[in-house]
Amino acid sequence: KNQVEQSPQSLIILEGKNCTLQCNYTVSPFSNLRWYKQDTGRGPVSLTIMTFSENTKSNGRYTATLDADTKQSSLHITASQLSDSASYICVVSAGNAGNMLTFGGGTRLMVKP
Amino acid sequence: EADIYQTPRYLVIGTGKKITLECSQTMGHDKMYWYQQDPGMELHLIHYSYGVNSTEKGDLSSESTVSRIRTEHFPLTLESARPSHTSQYLCASSRRGGEETQYFGPGTRLLVL
Repeated sequence: KNQVEQSPQSLIILEGKNCTLQCNYTVSPFSNLRWYKQDTGRGPVSLTIMTFSENTKSNGRYTATLDADTKQSSLHITASQLSDSASYICVVSAGNAGNMLTFGGGTRLMVKP
Repeated sequence: EADIYQTPRYLVIGTGKKITLECSQTMGHDKMYWYQQDPGMELHLIHYSYGVNSTEKGDLSSESTVSRIRTEHFPLTLESARPSHTSQYLCASSRRGGEETQYFGPGTRLLVL
């Protein structure tokens, strides 16, 4: 069964600090991995997408890494801001008909002043 | 910014009522999706569509139904709402082929009393 596990479930950091969120997956065959940011009460918004051959991708202060051998990804947030408070969801796409997505449970990040 | 809209944003209704959650996108995307998300929990796919007149059930069993008569419109209907249907419903759309990044609407929060 395809699964995506994220850790930690929740995280509180001080404004300006860095943090790293983890994602482990067992989706097969693998097509791509996305990180989404979901603000409370809103729909998720795509931050990054990585295919099998990519092992790092940045989007401003967000840097995602992918290790396809160990089936792990991380999202690093640099110099956190209050507006980074949200849920961060790891989503893996299977490389089969339909490209169906498997969603992780998300990491709830709170940035405090 | 994604052009995908959901109405209503919030809905409180009594048990047994029929409701329709609206979802429209102006991006010309072929694929559309409905997800159900309980607070703090992961998203679960309940319906999807590859295009006009195409509807499929998702991973999570749902008593709701959908229709896709026009490309831009993908309404979800509950014939007889129950308290167990209380949840957030998120609509998304994507292009067919390529990265197929899903763009999400703001969601509808449904409370059935």
